[in-house]
Amino acid sequence: AQSVTQPDIHITVSEGASLELRCNYSYGATPYLFWYVQSPGQGLQLLLKYFSGDTLVQGIKGFEAEFKRSQSSFNLRKPSVHWSDAAEYFCAVGADDYKLSFGAGTTVTVRA
Amino acid sequence: DAGVTQSPTHLIKTRGQQVTLRCSPKSGHDTVSWYQQALGQGPQFIFQYYEEEERQRGNFPDRFSGHQFPNYSSELNVNALLLGDSALYLCASSLASGGDTQYFGPGTRLTVL
Repeated sequence: AQSVTQPDIHITVSEGASLELRCNYSYGATPYLFWYVQSPGQGLQLLLKYFSGDTLVQGIKGFEAEFKRSQSSFNLRKPSVHWSDAAEYFCAVGADDYKLSFGAGTTVTVRA
Repeated sequence: DAGVTQSPTHLIKTRGQQVTLRCSPKSGHDTVSWYQQALGQGPQFIFQYYEEEERQRGNFPDRFSGHQFPNYSSELNVNALLLGDSALYLCASSLASGGDTQYFGPGTRLTVL
């Protein structure tokens, strides 16, 4: 069975600074990998996904993520954070059994 | 193009009652998945429906059941509610032939008193 670990529960970053959120997964084969963002009281919005091919994927809102098979990681990055990026971020892994398995999430706080 | 919609937005029930939550998938999608998100946690997979059949189920008791209609909309039913069932219930839709990309609705917040 697949699983996801997000080591950082909470990250505080200054507006304009760079952001990196860590995600490690456990799965025997090449997984489908996703990052979602959730604002308070809202559903999940898809930021980006990796299925195959180029290991650096671009998403919406200026986010990108890099798949590193050797490290079983799929870290999310943004070069310059905006106050509107304050939210909870979830990494998820999908496999051939159709379900998505999510990490516990990382809360991002942006300070002025 | 309407995204995934869910109703109701909020719901308050008491222990032992039964509840039904509803989901309409994104236009063109034929597969619906349900997730439970407890406060401060990531979503947990409940089950997935495709072609009106439950295709995959997570580690949830039989008190959780579902249904998919011919128009691909879906219902989640929870019987004999427990305090621990209080959570945000998320519906996600996808295209069975299009890989695993799931698009989520805004959720239904269920509070059990």
